[in-house]
Amino acid sequence: GAGVSQSPRYKVAKRGQDVALRCDPISGHVSLFWYQQALGQGPEFLTYFQNEAQLDKSGLPSDRFFAERPEGSVSTLKIQRTQQEDSAVYLCASSSHVVTGGVGEKLFFGSGTQLSVL
Amino acid sequence: AQSVTQLDSQVPVFEEAPVELRCNYSSSVSVYLFWYVQYPNQGLQLLLKYLSGSTLVKGINGFEAEFNKSQTSFHLRKPSVHISDTAEYFCAVSELSGYSTLTFGKGTMLLVSP
Repeated sequence: GAGVSQSPRYKVAKRGQDVALRCDPISGHVSLFWYQQALGQGPEFLTYFQNEAQLDKSGLPSDRFFAERPEGSVSTLKIQRTQQEDSAVYLCASSSHVVTGGVGEKLFFGSGTQLSVL
Repeated sequence: AQSVTQLDSQVPVFEEAPVELRCNYSSSVSVYLFWYVQYPNQGLQLLLKYLSGSTLVKGINGFEAEFNKSQTSFHLRKPSVHISDTAEYFCAVSELSGYSTLTFGKGTMLLVSP
């Protein structure tokens, strides 16, 4: 596709439910990032993939969060046993470049998935 | 580790007035600096960036920003705003070398009224 696509656009989950959020990066992009944006906050880094390798998962807030990118293209962020504090917009971004300091100029963001945990 | 401070959560301004959105950063090493804009229900778009060279950088939609190393600031300015500039603006930083992801500020909501 022309841009980064995320689905679903909105997700409502009951507390304790498992959810899966999908990201389709721009075709051929090697780098893929997940960010969490809580209400009134800036995006916060969750995890980074270079192709299928998860090189950094230091931002994942707990072991309930799990991300994968098995074939180096589509990525899924899974949250198990959702809690109310997981309510946020989850942003995916991709880049044709590997991560260096200047990666911010080459990042393309999706519109995000808004997760609401009741 | 780096951090970004955007002191103003909201900036209301009238159409055609000038505006400045403030951004200060903290880092122990040299950094790259960015401004992103987020329109309602859309993803983040890069507005402008400072990587090196001239400290005054120009971006899209008439915005510009000035890098001030001594004050560790990267304020965003526009001489005359339009209604369509109403959006959330995020300042972001990443380290100059090696592995570094983007660190964002909390954002400033620019509200332009007629």
